[in-house]
Amino acid sequence: GDSVTQMEGPVTLSEEAFLTINCTYTATGYPSLFWYVQYPGEGLQLLLKATKADDKGSNKGFEATYRKETTSFHLEKGSVQVSDSAVYFCALSEWGAQKLVFGQGTRLTINP
Amino acid sequence: DAGVTQSPTHLIKTRGQQVTLRCSPKSGHDTVSWYQQALGQGPQFIFQYYEEEERQRGNFPDRFSGHQFPNYSSELNVNALLLGDSALYLCASSLGTGGDTEAFFGQGTRLTVV
Repeated sequence: GDSVTQMEGPVTLSEEAFLTINCTYTATGYPSLFWYVQYPGEGLQLLLKATKADDKGSNKGFEATYRKETTSFHLEKGSVQVSDSAVYFCALSEWGAQKLVFGQGTRLTINP
Repeated sequence: DAGVTQSPTHLIKTRGQQVTLRCSPKSGHDTVSWYQQALGQGPQFIFQYYEEEERQRGNFPDRFSGHQFPNYSSELNVNALLLGDSALYLCASSLGTGGDTEAFFGQGTRLTVV
């Protein structure tokens, strides 16, 4: 079945550092890909998405590019802030079906 | 716009009991999905309701059942609770069932089974 694998956490960085969180997926069709963020005490929020190969999703300085050849959707940000501290989830949904399949999450802590 | 609201926020139940969790979708949304998030894990899809019918189901036993009402709100019922059912239960709403539509999540109900 479909699956998502994220890099193991937790990840701790200093403010203004460059961030990469790796995500790879396995799917039988052509899924849409998502990054969700969960801030402490809050529900999941959509951070960005891409619906087809080579699409780049971006939001709040975060970017991820849908790479079909490597089945990857890595999350990047050029300069992280303390307020970016949260748990990040990579997810996919198959075309025509809104069931989201999530990775295990990566806890990110940014130190001032 | 109130967004997705879930009740209660926290709940403690005893093994073998039954529980009902509730979800009101974001205004204008007609589809509700439920997820179980165990501590330190990603959410796992339980099922999805659209037009008051269960449209998709994940790999969960029949002890997990649900309902959607004409106003699109939804309930998740879990019978014969096990310790392993302790988790954060998330409700997500969306407009339609397409794979690229955005799902909006509630803050969840934290269920503890003792």
